[in-house]
Amino acid sequence: GIQVEQSPPDLILQEGANSTLRCNFSDSVNNLQWFHQNPWGQLINLFYIPSGTKQNGRLSATTVATERYSLLYISSSQTTDSGVYFCAVEGNTPLVFGKGTRLSVIA
Amino acid sequence: DVKVTQSSRYLVKRTGEKVFLECVQDMDHENMFWYRQDPGLGLRLIYFSYDVKMKEKGDIPEGYSVSREKKERFSLILESASTNQTSMYLCASSSYSGGAGMKTQYFGPGTRLLVL
Repeated sequence: GIQVEQSPPDLILQEGANSTLRCNFSDSVNNLQWFHQNPWGQLINLFYIPSGTKQNGRLSATTVATERYSLLYISSSQTTDSGVYFCAVEGNTPLVFGKGTRLSVIA
Repeated sequence: DVKVTQSSRYLVKRTGEKVFLECVQDMDHENMFWYRQDPGLGLRLIYFSYDVKMKEKGDIPEGYSVSREKKERFSLILESASTNQTSMYLCASSSYSGGAGMKTQYFGPGTRLLVL
């Protein structure tokens, strides 16, 4: 089945710093989503982005489907950005999730 | 505002008990999913459903069953709970957008199940 790898697995940032999270996938996909899981366990969808670039406030995402990767950019990070960020892709099967990037933003 | 609710946030059961986890969505979504999340393993798909009375096995269906009698409700059943089913269980729903695959998945708050 399709493989999803996220990097880095862990990231510690000072408040105000910028970061880039990466998601590599092993096969062509027709759906890619980024999620944020807060410390209470709730998963929130950030982007539905099978290709192209989207922006939402301090967050933006780019998917290059032909090269099988997606990037999530977080600018001017805040402590509320802490949590785990998941990339998930759909090919011929339902969404397959990566293992996530755990982000800790320190004041 | 989209909403997926799960019947319990925390649940403690004994080994061998039959456990029901309920999930309800109010978005008229066709697709519903059950995942379990364990440290270091990410989210793994247990079962999913693309329509009422329809179910498909995911990656780890052993020890679980599901029921979808109504479009808005998808139940996960642990027939005989075991300690290795202690986990966080997450329900999600999405709509189907025809040729473009499934749209955004919306998740419930999760149920933390402890089996003693």
